[in-house]
Amino acid sequence: DTEVTQTPKHLVMGMTNKKSLKCEQHMGHRAMYWYKQKAKKPPELMFVYSYEKLSINESVPSRFSPECPNSSLLNLHLHALQPEDSALYLCASSHQESGGGPDTQYFGPGTRLTVL
Amino acid sequence: AQKVTQAQTEISVVEKEDVTLDCVYETRDTTYYLFWYKQPPSGELVFLIRRNSFDEQNEISGRYSWNFQKSTSSFNFTITASQVVDSAVYFCALSEDDKVIFGPGTSLSVIP
Repeated sequence: DTEVTQTPKHLVMGMTNKKSLKCEQHMGHRAMYWYKQKAKKPPELMFVYSYEKLSINESVPSRFSPECPNSSLLNLHLHALQPEDSALYLCASSHQESGGGPDTQYFGPGTRLTVL
Repeated sequence: AQKVTQAQTEISVVEKEDVTLDCVYETRDTTYYLFWYKQPPSGELVFLIRRNSFDEQNEISGRYSWNFQKSTSSFNFTITASQVVDSAVYFCALSEDDKVIFGPGTSLSVIP
């Protein structure tokens, strides 16, 4: 089973709202990722969690706040977003090999976010 | 700096034609990994293949085949007898430390 689930599928929010995106995997993967993808562009890495600890933050604005409550769950808390933050937000997970190079990342279906 | 180039922005083919998607990469690492992903209109990125730099054997999986040429830093992807369901954006990607660098993508349209 290589399934990563994300909720909600679609989200519309105002600039003053607070919302959260959720991601879940039950493959026993120990690395989880958040990506942002604008139309007709490749995914851009935002955050990486490794063994439930934040290992990479690609200089993402503080209005995006990641959280990894346990090894299966990854949240992205959103607050005071701007219209330019509208995008597809993708979650991914990977096995996290030790010294074996980056393992394959498996992606969820994404949350399509619109900020009004 | 690592870099992935997919020179073909958009390709259109008629169903049953063969099509090759090009991928050229730049890296100073001696050990690296290359990937191909498919992104259909639904949005989910679907993993297709992972190849490490020491394995230059070409690979075939059904109608899909990959040609890895280290000498030219290329990792091209061929779809044989294309089908409408192959219509998608295809991304080539390169490993960098714990991250993966995606190319700009090639949008493939298969016309019935």
